[in-house]
Amino acid sequence: DAMVIQNPRYQVTQFGKPVTLSCSQTLNHNVMYWYQQKSSQAPKLLFHYYDKDFNNEADTPDNFQSRRPNTSFCFLDIRSPGLGDAAMYLCATSRTLAAYQETQYFGPGTRLLVL
Amino acid sequence: DQQVKQNSPSLSVQEGRISILNCDYTNSMFDYFLWYKKYPAEGPTFLISISSIKDKNEDGRFTVFLNKSAKHLSLHIVPSQPGDSAVYFCAASGMEYGNKLVFGAGTILRVKS
Repeated sequence: DAMVIQNPRYQVTQFGKPVTLSCSQTLNHNVMYWYQQKSSQAPKLLFHYYDKDFNNEADTPDNFQSRRPNTSFCFLDIRSPGLGDAAMYLCATSRTLAAYQETQYFGPGTRLLVL
Repeated sequence: DQQVKQNSPSLSVQEGRISILNCDYTNSMFDYFLWYKKYPAEGPTFLISISSIKDKNEDGRFTVFLNKSAKHLSLHIVPSQPGDSAVYFCAASGMEYGNKLVFGAGTILRVKS
């Protein structure tokens, strides 16, 4: 009964080679988030979708983009991965944006390695 | 400019004793605080939360205390069990942040049997 699914769990890419990470959800939630978590650091929000409305965090590099073709799926595209982009990427969902009302549900993450 | 800090990277506690995990924040505009728990190879899962209008919230073995004047919150687990061994993330939210979550770096809790 997996609710937030991330594929692949591990992804190895080459420096500068575009890579796409995938997230799907069975919760029918309106909001989908992408977080980046580097080793021993806090998860950092990159962007989120509220339905089809895309919201980028101010300090998210242009190298990171996202697509949400439908309610269930959301993709993270890294156009030209650098060594500094190696991290765990977490996808999360919630019904609304109100943290005090709605819990965020996280996927298990995709660990990205850049060679 | 970490706004949410968990200064203890790890904590080791004997089974049956109390575990206390601490979290400090810098922005007084935060008004809602959460704890998430993460097991290896799994995503973080929501554990307990507290609104800034309260100073304590309890759920079974888990209690969160909020000290607004000190900008400090803590999670108490009593009694600690080996299954509580996990990474615990503190998170904060507020209207100023569009109700999005700002996380701390996490504390690894090991409960020894």
